[in-house]
Amino acid sequence: QKEVEQNSGPLSVPEGAIASLNCTYSDRGSQSFFWYRQYSGKSPELIMSIYSNGDKEDGRFTAQLNKASQYVSLLIRDSQPSDSATYLCALNDYKLSFGAGTTVTVRA
Amino acid sequence: ETGVTQTPRHLVMGMTNKKSLKCEQHLGHNAMYWYKQSAKKPLELMFVYNFKEQTENNSVPSRFSPECPNSSHLFLHLHTLQPEDSALYLCASSRGSGGPSSYNEQFFGPGTRLTVL
Repeated sequence: QKEVEQNSGPLSVPEGAIASLNCTYSDRGSQSFFWYRQYSGKSPELIMSIYSNGDKEDGRFTAQLNKASQYVSLLIRDSQPSDSATYLCALNDYKLSFGAGTTVTVRA
Repeated sequence: ETGVTQTPRHLVMGMTNKKSLKCEQHLGHNAMYWYKQSAKKPLELMFVYNFKEQTENNSVPSRFSPECPNSSHLFLHLHTLQPEDSALYLCASSRGSGGPSSYNEQFFGPGTRLTVL
């Protein structure tokens, strides 16, 4: 299985701030990635997918893929308490390889 | 509600019991997956089925036996489990599998929380 590394956190941000999550990967040939959000006691939910180098924005979420540096990141703007969850990065190859997840806590 | 259902949601079993987990997807997808999620560990892929044919067995012990009668249903049969098998078992589905495309976008069911005594 291809390696995907995430900082487990926890990452604590105040409400309204930007939360920045990073994921690095080992396979230079990796093409695309998914971000999943998992609330405590729930299953992962797909929130973003990115298939090319650069930025992709969807509402308050921005995914960034930098193939040269082999990292993918997720920015959450105007963080809300409802964003408190664990965020999983997944490398999309012939199967998904998941990172361990970063736990985010948004302080009201 | 993702269109993927799992039953039961919680299961407690002894090491000598036999039980089955069920997954059903209503998304018209062709690929289905079983994952194991233990505390503080990444999601572990167990099995992959594509058009009801098994395409991946990730070195899973034989006490876990999958069954996929059609593209909409997936079972995980359990027997003589160990306490370390206690975990959240997640089923997922996608349009297809085998390539780095949007067909691999996986949608998860709510999971079965399994406790082995």
